[in-house]
Amino acid sequence: GQNIDQPTEMTATEGAIVQINCTYQTSGFNGLFWYQQHAGEAPTFLSYNVLDGLEEKGRFSSFLSRSKGYSYLLLKELQMKDSASYLCAVLVAGGYNKLIFGAGTRLAVHP
Amino acid sequence: EAQVTQNPRYLITVTGKKLTVTCSQNMNHEYMSWYRQDPGLGLRQIYYSMNVEVTDKGDVPEGYKVSRKEKRNFPLILESPSPNQTSLYFCASIPLAGGTDTQYFGPGTRLTVL
Repeated sequence: GQNIDQPTEMTATEGAIVQINCTYQTSGFNGLFWYQQHAGEAPTFLSYNVLDGLEEKGRFSSFLSRSKGYSYLLLKELQMKDSASYLCAVLVAGGYNKLIFGAGTRLAVHP
Repeated sequence: EAQVTQNPRYLITVTGKKLTVTCSQNMNHEYMSWYRQDPGLGLRQIYYSMNVEVTDKGDVPEGYKVSRKEKRNFPLILESPSPNQTSLYFCASIPLAGGTDTQYFGPGTRLTVL
């Protein structure tokens, strides 16, 4: 079966660092995406990892361990506008772009 | 501007009244897909299309139909909507079927079936 787990909710303080974890068990693996989604809006692309290790993009970094079926999204210097849901999604192999989404982590940033 | 558009953005309808949600992309993408998003369940794929006249079921296809007569358009049809189809719907596209590009999402359609 296909399973992606991430925490339902997290809270953090403005200016702090937060790590959102994602674990997955899928039949095949062709990369892992992180998306940001503000309430009622479309998901927007944050990162794509297919190799093990850390990828840094400004305030956001994403890490992947394929052997552990684990990824995290690290958000630094949190801002109020980072309050949103963060979606972990695995691209499973198969040649037809099957993307399996986790239920999302709702992050609330407080002053 | 490169984009995926959906219409309508909001719709309230009644059980059994056929409706169509349109999706159009102007990027000449091969692959298009429909998702629904429900609280606690994340995005689930309804149908996808790898190219013109090629469509297939996703994980939750019951109660939905699609067509892909032209590359740019991928309408979602609900022949007889029911309240359990109340959801937030997203259309998405990717340049190449089988590629690893991110999905380009439309703005979403919030559907309520009474």
